Amino acid sequence: DTGVSQNPRHKITKRGQNVTFRCDPISEHNRLYWYRQTLGQGPEFLTYFQNEAQLEKSRLLSDRFSAERPKGSFSTLEIQRTEQGDSAMYLCASSVSLAYEQYFGPGTRLTVT
Amino acid sequence: DAKTTQPPSMDCAEGRAANLPCNHSTISGNEYVYWYRQIHSQGPQYIIHGLKNNETNEMASLIITEDRKSSTLILPHATLRDTAVYYCIVRVASRDDKIIFGKGTRLHILP
Repeated sequence: DTGVSQNPRHKITKRGQNVTFRCDPISEHNRLYWYRQTLGQGPEFLTYFQNEAQLEKSRLLSDRFSAERPKGSFSTLEIQRTEQGDSAMYLCASSVSLAYEQYFGPGTRLTVT
Repeated sequence: DAKTTQPPSMDCAEGRAANLPCNHSTISGNEYVYWYRQIHSQGPQYIIHGLKNNETNEMASLIITEDRKSSTLILPHATLRDTAVYYCIVRVASRDDKIIFGKGTRLHILP
């Protein structure tokens, strides 16, 4: 399967711990997006990359959040000092520039206890 | 905020056509109408998009009113696997890179 993959699929952590998620986009997709989804809501945009450049960050992306895409391929999303409010599904999507559709991965479900 | 309005939920009998409405009365001339769906525990999946003409693909048909203020997604023969949340989105494809999702319509296909 050559779709978007995300790891881990589930993460349970204690408040105050740091967590890191990984996203592998579809090969040759130069754009990569991160979204967050809480229960009963649609996904909310966090940030996106074109190749290795981070072009936009949402105000939802507090100082505790950092995303990287060092070689323009896979991306990581790190949350430092997790809070219970960070509990959500973190979705990654990829596309080619100016494409109509984004392809989403299955998401990483984070639970902060 | 999302620029679309959708009913929170709908039911449809299996085998019948599912017609999902969407209002987007403030749509701009260069904004497309997109539909995505999200099956439980999966990421959203692109279905179809259109500007002003009706569109059809292997998954669905999209009917856009002449004034472009509303649209309908049609699943011609709904199956249980079509049970999902359906999101109607308006965006300028080449400029608005992020997708702004609303709450969507939760479609229940009844056996």
